[in-house]
Amino acid sequence: EVQLVQSGAEVKKPGESLKISCKGSGYRFTTDWIGWVRQMPGKGLEWMGIIWPDDSDATYSPSFQDQVSFSVDKSISTVYLQWSSLKASDTAIYYCARPASGQWLVEYWGQGTLVTVSS
Amino acid sequence: EIVLTQSPVTLSLSPGERATLSCRANESVRTSYLAWYQQKPGQAPRLLIFGASSRATGIPDRFTGSGSGTDFTLTISRLEPEDFAIYYCQDYGSSFGTFGQGTKLEIK
Repeated sequence: EVQLVQSGAEVKKPGESLKISCKGSGYRFTTDWIGWVRQMPGKGLEWMGIIWPDDSDATYSPSFQDQVSFSVDKSISTVYLQWSSLKASDTAIYYCARPASGQWLVEYWGQGTLVTVSS
Repeated sequence: EIVLTQSPVTLSLSPGERATLSCRANESVRTSYLAWYQQKPGQAPRLLIFGASSRATGIPDRFTGSGSGTDFTLTISRLEPEDFAIYYCQDYGSSFGTFGQGTKLEIK
């Protein structure tokens, strides 16, 4: 059974850094794309980008390019979403998501991580 | 850039009624790469329909997707209490898989 298990909720102040995680299991982690979807409070869904775990090749949506970074630790089948300097507008739920091969269709979702940025 | 517009924004119906949700694109959706997701409060979205009309694994047959080109519909034939949620369409063939803004299906 494919599972994506994310780290817990975070409360941060503007300007702080943050790294949240998503651990995959039940499939071949290194050779399937995995990515992140943002959902701002009361809003819809936006793909942020994806990463290929085997070589950490990442593609970012233009809206998120240079705003966040993705990384991988293959040894523990975990991908990360990282901010170097959070803003209040980063407050959202972040889902890791495994897209179907070659497409942006999401078959599997993590449970979501709520990130709250407030002074 | 493709834009998906869902209507209505909110749909108020009673259990047992039929629900019809619309998703309209500003340009043709490539090869009917149109999906529908259901999201309940506090939960991740769940894939219902892909390829405009194919049900995902475990999805009841009261959910039906239809349409092509720029106009797509999700029909729920007889609403069950657990169907009241927010529904999103997605063009998963477009760059970064554009989502619609959602339709909230609420109990009347």
